[in-house]
Amino acid sequence: AQKVTQAQTEISVVEKEDVTLDCVYETRDTTYYLFWYKQPPSGELVFLIRRNSFDEQNEISGRYSWNFQKSTSSFNFTITASQVVDSAVYFCALIHNAGNMLTFGGGTRLMVKP
Amino acid sequence: KAGVTQTPRYLIKTRGQQVTLSCSPISGHRSVSWYQQTPGQGLQFLFEYFSETQRNKGNFPGRFSGRQFSNSRSEMNVSTLELGDSALYLCASSLGQFTDTQYFGPGTRLTVL
Repeated sequence: AQKVTQAQTEISVVEKEDVTLDCVYETRDTTYYLFWYKQPPSGELVFLIRRNSFDEQNEISGRYSWNFQKSTSSFNFTITASQVVDSAVYFCALIHNAGNMLTFGGGTRLMVKP
Repeated sequence: KAGVTQTPRYLIKTRGQQVTLSCSPISGHRSVSWYQQTPGQGLQFLFEYFSETQRNKGNFPGRFSGRQFSNSRSEMNVSTLELGDSALYLCASSLGQFTDTQYFGPGTRLTVL
């Protein structure tokens, strides 16, 4: 069975601080994909990144960066110089080749204060 | 390209009633998945349709059902509503392989009184 754990339920930072959201996953599959989604108050899940299990290269997109480490089964997300608009709930998710269904973590609510 | 659309955005029903939610996928996407989001259980997979066939199903009672039409639009139905069915129902579409990204709609917020 697959499982995704986001131990941080809520994080509060002041604008311009860097913040890292943790994600730990469990799966027996060797082929899988990991995702991060952002859910603003409007409710829609916004896709941020997809990473496959064979690509451990870190990725940077503007102020966002992701660190994938298979050795620790982690896929952490860092926001550099956070902004108020980054306030949202962030979900880490896993999908594997046995079925086209996402397994989500519990989410981390990020509050960025001005 | 237009994103995933869901209608209605909000619904209020009473226990025992039934409800139908609609989802229109991104043009060209053949897979539609449904998820339920509640404060207690988080985001849970309901089912997935691909080419008008249910391909995967989550652990939900038979009161939850769905279908997909030839244009890939999908509907989900919940019969005999219970208070615990109050949730945000999210629809996602993708090209169809598990390697493809699922893009979500804005959701339908269902309140059962």
